[in-house]
Amino acid sequence: QVQLQESGPGLVKPSETLSLTCTVSGGSIRSYYWNWIRQPPGKGLEWIGNIYHSGSTNYNPSLKSRVTISVDTSKNQFSLNLSYVTAADTAVYFCAREGRGAEGKGYGMDVWGQGTTVTVSS
Amino acid sequence: DIQMTQSPSSLSASIGDRVTITCRATQNIRTYLNWYQQKAGKAPNLLIYTASSLQSGVPSRFSGGGSGTEFTLTISSLQPEDFATYYCQQSYTTPRTFGQGTRLEIK
Repeated sequence: QVQLQESGPGLVKPSETLSLTCTVSGGSIRSYYWNWIRQPPGKGLEWIGNIYHSGSTNYNPSLKSRVTISVDTSKNQFSLNLSYVTAADTAVYFCAREGRGAEGKGYGMDVWGQGTTVTVSS
Repeated sequence: DIQMTQSPSSLSASIGDRVTITCRATQNIRTYLNWYQQKAGKAPNLLIYTASSLQSGVPSRFSGGGSGTEFTLTISSLQPEDFATYYCQQSYTTPRTFGQGTRLEIK
């Protein structure tokens, strides 16, 4: 049974870089899209971006200038870097697996990490 | 970007009720529409994928329908554990986008 676990600092200072890692256990990182999604306190879900095991990425245009997602297939991990953070980046950050269809389409995010809370504050 | 709009934003219902939530997309997404349930403090849980396919382990009282730009999630007989927030999400293209959520509360 595949499980995902987010890890990283819970507190980041404004203007610094938020870095999170998602570890995939119980299965291979190949053949799926691997996503980052966030949820500010009391609000809805916002898609940040995804990556395929080949390293191909897609990003939300609203965050694209600040986001980098990378994958380490040898460790079965993928990572999120979000630079120049502000208080608006305070959120619960989730990683999630998505079934991969043709031409970039997906089949729903069927496995999620428990989420990690990141607070941006000095 | 494809915008997803859910209605209603909140809903009060009783145990045993049949409820339907609607999700509309701003362009044709064929059947690349997924539904999630989220309970407080938890990650979302995939209920329905590609508009009408029931995810493994999800009770059969949940069903989905629609194609193109209009979709529905129906719960045939509400159970106590169904009171939660529901989100639709399109996976036709990137950026992936979610509806704003529908909060289902006990009447």
